[in-house]
Amino acid sequence: AQTVTQSQPEMSVQEAETVTLSCTYDTSESDYYLFWYKQPPSRQMILVIRQEAYKQQNATENRFSVNFQKAAKSFSLKISDSQLGDAAMYFCALGRGSQGNLIFGKGTKLSVKP
Amino acid sequence: SAVISQKPSRDICQRGTSLTIQCQVDSQVTMMFWYRQQPGQSLTLIATANQGSEATYESGFVIDKFPISRPNLTFSTLTVSNMSPEDSSIYLCSVVRGTEEGNTIYFGEGSWLTVV
Repeated sequence: AQTVTQSQPEMSVQEAETVTLSCTYDTSESDYYLFWYKQPPSRQMILVIRQEAYKQQNATENRFSVNFQKAAKSFSLKISDSQLGDAAMYFCALGRGSQGNLIFGKGTKLSVKP
Repeated sequence: SAVISQKPSRDICQRGTSLTIQCQVDSQVTMMFWYRQQPGQSLTLIATANQGSEATYESGFVIDKFPISRPNLTFSTLTVSNMSPEDSSIYLCSVVRGTEEGNTIYFGEGSWLTVV
């Protein structure tokens, strides 16, 4: 069975500082993808960043980057220069190969303090 | 990216009634997915909707409760039948969009249902 674990229900960061959100997963698949989604109060799921399991290089997207440790099955999200608009729920998700069905973690609520 | 429109965005429903949620995608996709997000919870996959075949339901979800239609490659509907307060949730559709970098999964804006 595939699982995704986010061990931090809530996190807080000062504006302009850096924060790291943790995610671990378990899968027996060799071909999979990992995602971080942001869900603001509007409830829309916004893709933040994605990582293919076969790629060793960590994905980056502007202020967002991941630390993908395949052997440890860890996929953390680093947000640099945090902004007030980054405040939201962040979900880590695991997807299989070409399939679109995702397994989600329970989420981490990020607060950004001015 | 993908443009995915869902209707309704929000509704208040009476217990015992049924509501159909629509999902429209800006281009053809092979598979569409329906998720449920109960209050304060994460997302759970309800079913996979393929055009021209029956939807595939996840454990704990049945067709009688959540009938799905997929009449073409850009549209799908999810019906929540005989609603009870426990069905109060956000329902989201999603699609897979292939790119040079691989598959990416996009979500609609969600349909927030409250059953009273």
